[in-house]
Amino acid sequence: RKEVEQDPGPFNVPEGATVAFNCTYSNSASQSFFWYRQDCRKEPKLLMSVYSSGNEDGRFTAQLNRASQYISLLIRDSKLSDSATYLCAVTYYGGATNKLIFGTGTLLAVQP
Amino acid sequence: SAVISQKPSRDICQRGTSLTIQCQVDSQVTMMFWYRQQPGQSLTLIATANQGSEATYESGFVIDKFPISRPNLTFSTLTVSNMSPEDSSIYLCSVEWGLDYNEQFFGPGTRLTVL
Repeated sequence: RKEVEQDPGPFNVPEGATVAFNCTYSNSASQSFFWYRQDCRKEPKLLMSVYSSGNEDGRFTAQLNRASQYISLLIRDSKLSDSATYLCAVTYYGGATNKLIFGTGTLLAVQP
Repeated sequence: SAVISQKPSRDICQRGTSLTIQCQVDSQVTMMFWYRQQPGQSLTLIATANQGSEATYESGFVIDKFPISRPNLTFSTLTVSNMSPEDSSIYLCSVEWGLDYNEQFFGPGTRLTVL
């Protein structure tokens, strides 16, 4: 089983739709959780950290469920510019340092 | 966030040669990381580079193939040695930055093609 798993998609949604991604992780000792956005041929950019209490940033809401070991990302009122690959990432202590493990990413295509 | 640059941005190399990738940060950082992203895949951590000590490599990556230098708190290099076509990939450096030191920010990447 992969340490971090995501549905690769693609998710094809119309503009204005609400779309949700889930990401599961296998290591219960995981400490920190993140969503990154990666545009084609670009580096990943941190979208938001995911806190136990959940967090919201404009149209984006992230939640963490430690009991079920998954994190989610909800995008409301999708824009064409939201089209990208969304990567979840999980850290856990790997000896000398925290290790950041990425999922394979979920491709979102917002259609006009 | 910190501003991270990488050189070269891309290169095409012959089998058997080596390429050194540079990563420069505009602020002092303790931890720097090197990742590989193969075509159509996610990021895989190669090693963690802490200034003043040897790099810590992940399973499947060895120092002879990917030697790393970390001479100061703003700079690191990754060398891809004795390259083969399987090494064709994007190589990215990242740093931990900010109030939450678990947050990592990435350089723009180096796109390597090995013929």
